[in-house]
Amino acid sequence: QSALTQPPSASGSPGQSVTISCTGTSSDVGGYNYVSWYQQHPGTAPKLMIYEVNKRPSGVPDRFSGSKSGNTASLTVSGLQAEDEADYYCLSYAGSNNCVFGTGTKVTVL
Amino acid sequence: EVQLVESGGGLVQPGGSLRLSCAASGFRFNNYFMTWVRQAPGKGLEWVANIKPDGNEKYYVESVKGRFTISRDNANNSLYLQMSSLRADDTAVYYCARRQWLAFEYWGRGTLVTVSS
Repeated sequence: QSALTQPPSASGSPGQSVTISCTGTSSDVGGYNYVSWYQQHPGTAPKLMIYEVNKRPSGVPDRFSGSKSGNTASLTVSGLQAEDEADYYCLSYAGSNNCVFGTGTKVTVL
Repeated sequence: EVQLVESGGGLVQPGGSLRLSCAASGFRFNNYFMTWVRQAPGKGLEWVANIKPDGNEKYYVESVKGRFTISRDNANNSLYLQMSSLRADDTAVYYCARRQWLAFEYWGRGTLVTVSS
């Protein structure tokens, strides 16, 4: 199972929006509506931000949104804030109780 | 409050073995899939293994099949990862996580495993 493809970096100024893509195949992203997104600050554990493509766990700001089209999922962070600067990873179910992470994207708030 | 606390990491020689533990609290442990995820230094996340709530079915990433074994003790709210034939590329922080909605909802802080001579 190959890692899903994400851009290495993305950036935006405070208040702007940034969108991160996550590209897989019909065997993972395209085959299931089970894509989730994680935020990780340096030296800390990942935090779930989006599950089932576009659902937010309790406590996650509505500035974070997810979508999917075909084999590509996306995470959009609107109204960028300094604390959004972090690494972001997508995860997709890949069948038979297997799953695969994306390569990760470092988001910089300019 | 959900808590997951990993332990058992450390320095081990190539070819050696190590057993990681994850103590769970704050939820009904035997109702959930549990997972191990690892992160090599400066690298991305990698799913390692899943185990069903009753412990009867286990799933692994290809690179650890035959070397790692995931298990659980529902009576003691504990998750384990027995690692053998360890290689340098197994060096990573190992996280345990609770699976919900086919996502990893809660994570521990991780335990570092270093494989080196």
